[in-house]
Amino acid sequence: EVKLVESGGGLVQPGRSLKLSCAASGFSFNDYWMGWVRQAPGKGLEWIGEINQDSSTINYTPSLKDKFTISRDNAQNTLYLQMSKLGSEDTAIYYCASGRGWGQGVMVTVSS
Amino acid sequence: DVVMTQTPVSLSVSLGNQASISCRSSQSLLHSDGNTYLSWYLQKPGQSPQLLIYLASNRFSGVSNRFSGSGSGTDFTLKISRVEPEDLGVYYCFQHTHLPYTFGAGTKLELK
Repeated sequence: EVKLVESGGGLVQPGRSLKLSCAASGFSFNDYWMGWVRQAPGKGLEWIGEINQDSSTINYTPSLKDKFTISRDNAQNTLYLQMSKLGSEDTAIYYCASGRGWGQGVMVTVSS
Repeated sequence: DVVMTQTPVSLSVSLGNQASISCRSSQSLLHSDGNTYLSWYLQKPGQSPQLLIYLASNRFSGVSNRFSGSGSGTDFTLKISRVEPEDLGVYYCFQHTHLPYTFGAGTKLELK
């Protein structure tokens, strides 16, 4: 069974940083591109970025390129999203996504 | 960025009837490799999005054959035949031909 489990979310103050993780199981993680998508409360889906199998190619949506960093550890079957300079506009559910499925998401709330 | 325009915004349908959702892109989604990277997702209430259709017309593993995708270039359609209660939710089209990848705003399928 394919499982993607995000963690690391929670309440964070504006201007601070946060790192999300996504633990993958049930498929060959290092064979797949992986990505992150977010959804602000009551809104639609926003593509954040993606990373290829060996981390040699990482693409971002331009508005988040200077704030967010995607990485992966194939030995640990884990995908990461490092977020910095967080603002209220970054409050959202963050989903880990692959061609095999999506995680259930993790909530990030940016507030003082 | 490629703008994905979904219509209608919401759709009321009776159980057992057909539903049709349109998605238009501001640029052709035909990639130089010959593929058209247009996917359809369903987000049921309280859940993460689930992949229904990939490459415009291919049903993902386990997806009911009541779902069908068609179209090419800039015009795409998702048809749901014989709507069932578990089909209700928000449908999104998603293009991953041109960076940055983009989603449509969503179409909410409701019961009439």
